[in-house]
Amino acid sequence: DIQMTQSPSSLSASVGDRVTITCRTSQTISNFLNWYQQKPGKAPKLLIYAGSTLQTGVPSRFSGGGSGTDFTLSISSLQPEDFATYYCQQSYSDIPTFGQGTKLEIK
Amino acid sequence: QVHLQESGPGLVKPSETLSLTCTVSGGSVTSNVWSWIRQSPGKGLEWIAYVYYSGSIRDNPSLKSRLTISVDTSRNQFSLNLRSVTAADTAVYYCARARTRFGGDKYYFDYWGQGILVTVSP
Repeated sequence: DIQMTQSPSSLSASVGDRVTITCRTSQTISNFLNWYQQKPGKAPKLLIYAGSTLQTGVPSRFSGGGSGTDFTLSISSLQPEDFATYYCQQSYSDIPTFGQGTKLEIK
Repeated sequence: QVHLQESGPGLVKPSETLSLTCTVSGGSVTSNVWSWIRQSPGKGLEWIAYVYYSGSIRDNPSLKSRLTISVDTSRNQFSLNLRSVTAADTAVYYCARARTRFGGDKYYFDYWGQGILVTVSP
């Protein structure tokens, strides 16, 4: 299976900050990388697919980048509703796998 | 707007079969690919299987062939049966719609059910 490593595991930031989360894969996956946001007690919500394509309805302050084995999710100006846990997921291999999550907390 | 809803028992005894159903509204089970995904504190998010409208599946080898999945087109549902469960199968189980950008089998998950907690315990 392709291993996914997210960093950092947790992050404290303030409203208005710009933050970046990194996802690294154990082998190259082109741009078959997707990002999800999850809030406590809720299902994950798709934010970005194919590395950088914003899902319909997701605010433009979210952006994704990268290719190969290194990917980023950036939030340009944090809003109160953005404090959540974020997961990356690769869809390159026959067995999709997820990162362990990055918990974004209010400073 | 596609809506998915999981249903089934929240408690299953070890060695028995875990059975869940996903009811789809706002879309047809015959015109999409679907998936089961679970989440536990120990393993995080884990993909279980893709479900094709034909009833065929592609499943995670880690489940060691304990899985049966069926599709009921008349009820717009698909179901999961996981045999011989242990405490390691305790998790929140989600059903989701699987999509690709340009076709093929590189799926992301754009609609999810709310999830159902299943506990395996005597």
